[in-house]
Amino acid sequence: LAKTTQPISMDSYEGQEVNITCSHNNIATNDYITWYQQFPSQGPRFIIQGYKTKVTNEVASLFIPADRKSSTLSLPRVSLSDTAVYYCLVGDNAGGGADGLTFGKGTHLIIQP
Amino acid sequence: DTEVTQTPKHLVMGMTNKKSLKCEQHMGHRAMYWYKQKAKKPPELMFVYSYEKLSINESVPSRFSPECPNSSLLNLHLHALQPEDSALYLCASSLRTGTGRTGELFFGEGSRLTVL
Repeated sequence: LAKTTQPISMDSYEGQEVNITCSHNNIATNDYITWYQQFPSQGPRFIIQGYKTKVTNEVASLFIPADRKSSTLSLPRVSLSDTAVYYCLVGDNAGGGADGLTFGKGTHLIIQP
Repeated sequence: DTEVTQTPKHLVMGMTNKKSLKCEQHMGHRAMYWYKQKAKKPPELMFVYSYEKLSINESVPSRFSPECPNSSLLNLHLHALQPEDSALYLCASSLRTGTGRTGELFFGEGSRLTVL
């Protein structure tokens, strides 16, 4: 299983761009990188998924360098409601294993006014 | 319908009780999951069902018994639980498991279980 490492916590302010980096040094060829957001007492919510280079959707961008050993979730112009825990998952669930289904410790992002 | 619905939202049970948690999705997803989450910890994978067959059991104690009656329903039967089993139990679904892209997991809001 590709192990992920993220900062435990981050602080920022409303209106700023926030970048959260996830390290996954032993990522495998078939692995995808997926980010989830979780608010207290709610289920995680999918944010974005990518394989290489850059992926952008209506809420975030995901930057993946050529070696794919890390990835950066970018949240533009954050608001107080972006305060949450952000998880990076890596895997492809090939062969039906738990790869890609295992949550690491996540990053607790706190947005201040 | 892009929802995963879990019932009940809250459950309190004694150590000798038998209860069940229920999860339902109508997105045509063929993979369903149970996770357990303790306070301030990440979700921990418990079980995976793929095409209504149990494909992963992450060494979960037998007092937790999953069941997938059909492709839309997933149950978790609880019996003789311990106070340390108190947690938020999350159900999720995805289009499929298997090779290639993992695919997005859709989570329910969870069932908050308290074992007395």
